[in-house]
This record gives sequence, C-alpha cells and structure tokens, in this order.
Amino acid sequence: NAGVTQTPKFRILKIGQSMTLQCTQDMNHNYMYWYRQDPGMGLKLIYYSVGAGITDKGEVPNGYNVSRSTTEDFPLRLELAAPSQTSVYFCASSYLRTDTQYFGPGTRLTVL
Amino acid sequence: EDKVVQSPLSLVVHEGDTVTLNCSYEVTNFRSLLWYKQEKKAPTFLFMLTSSGIEKKSGRLSSILDKKELFSILNITATQTGDSAIYLCAVSSNTGKLIFGQGTTLQVKP
Repeated sequence: NAGVTQTPKFRILKIGQSMTLQCTQDMNHNYMYWYRQDPGMGLKLIYYSVGAGITDKGEVPNGYNVSRSTTEDFPLRLELAAPSQTSVYFCASSYLRTDTQYFGPGTRLTVL
Repeated sequence: EDKVVQSPLSLVVHEGDTVTLNCSYEVTNFRSLLWYKQEKKAPTFLFMLTSSGIEKKSGRLSSILDKKELFSILNITATQTGDSAIYLCAVSSNTGKLIFGQGTTLQVKP
C-alpha cells in the first residue's frame, strides 16, 4: 500500500514551458486535492476533485488545469510556466468527506 | 473570506521546555480543526478536533478546541529535538475543503 505518490520529486522549468505533475493514490479515495506551499506559508488549495470526472477550483486555480479520468489519478497541468509558480506542490486524498487528508511527498518546482 | 491564523510564526526553545502553539479561525460552516506536523516532506496528521473542550492527547502532544472563541491550541511538553518541524493548523468546512494557516516553525535546541 503506497498511499499517495507524486512524480517528479524535483523539476526546473523555463518560463513558458509546460509540464504535468502526476499524483496517484491506491487507497480508493474519492476526494483528491492539489495544494501549493510557498516558503513560510501554509498550503493553498489549487484544485480538488470529489470523484472521477468531477473537478472544482480551489483558492488559487489560475495558471493550472486538472483532470480526473480515474479514481486513482489526479494530474495537475501547468500550461505556461511563470516564476510565480515556483513552489512545492502537494497532492492529497481523503475518503468521501472524512477530514483526514493523506499527503504525497511533494514536488519541488522551480521556474526560471 | 475564510481564514486561519497561527501564532507565533516561529519559535525557538530548548529541550525540555513546554510550548503552546495557537490557531484562530474564521470559517463558514465549520466542520473540524486539524493539526499537522510537517518535517522535510509532506504534512503528517496529528489531531482532528470537532467538539469544544475535549482534549485530544498523544504522548507529549495535546490539543483542545474552543468553538465559542474560535481557536485551538497545541501543547508540546518536554520538547525534544525531534519535535522541530512546521506545525500546520487547518480548518475544514462542510464542503470538504481545508483552509490552512501559515504554520508555526518550531526549533528545539539541544
């Protein structure tokens, strides 16, 4: 049981490049979330999903897109990377509306 | 606008000291308050609080919620260097979203 896994662990992008951050969970959780964490700050919700085929915006969705074609996977897409998107990205999941969210190890992204 | 505010933002203590971390919130449709510990990687769950006045305890850590005054505290007694971490407070609403505070960075010196 791997829990929540994320790839890659680190990535450096140039301004304007695009990439997809992968997130997979094997706990059969319906809810999945993407957060970003800037230095000295708490986590801010980017997007979340309540099940396959259903996604919704969080606090800071601009510049990102998501899809949820399966229960297990919830990729986060950056289309035109900007320096403001330099951050650590965490994926999390939870079972239905249970409040305990289980977090992946994070992806550290730098945009230069 | 929903918000969660933690204080202090950072704290340096010596081993054996007792610390109290604070979390206040203004969240519509409050469901629960959660504490997480974040070391180098992902946050790990500590406590979930839903009822006022009931202390949750795990070893040297304890936490309590006051829903009337809209705050929670996290206490750590007899601190150890392994307690050094960022402690995150988050509040969930009935929509299932979590709103996080900025975190308190705790450093415990030997």
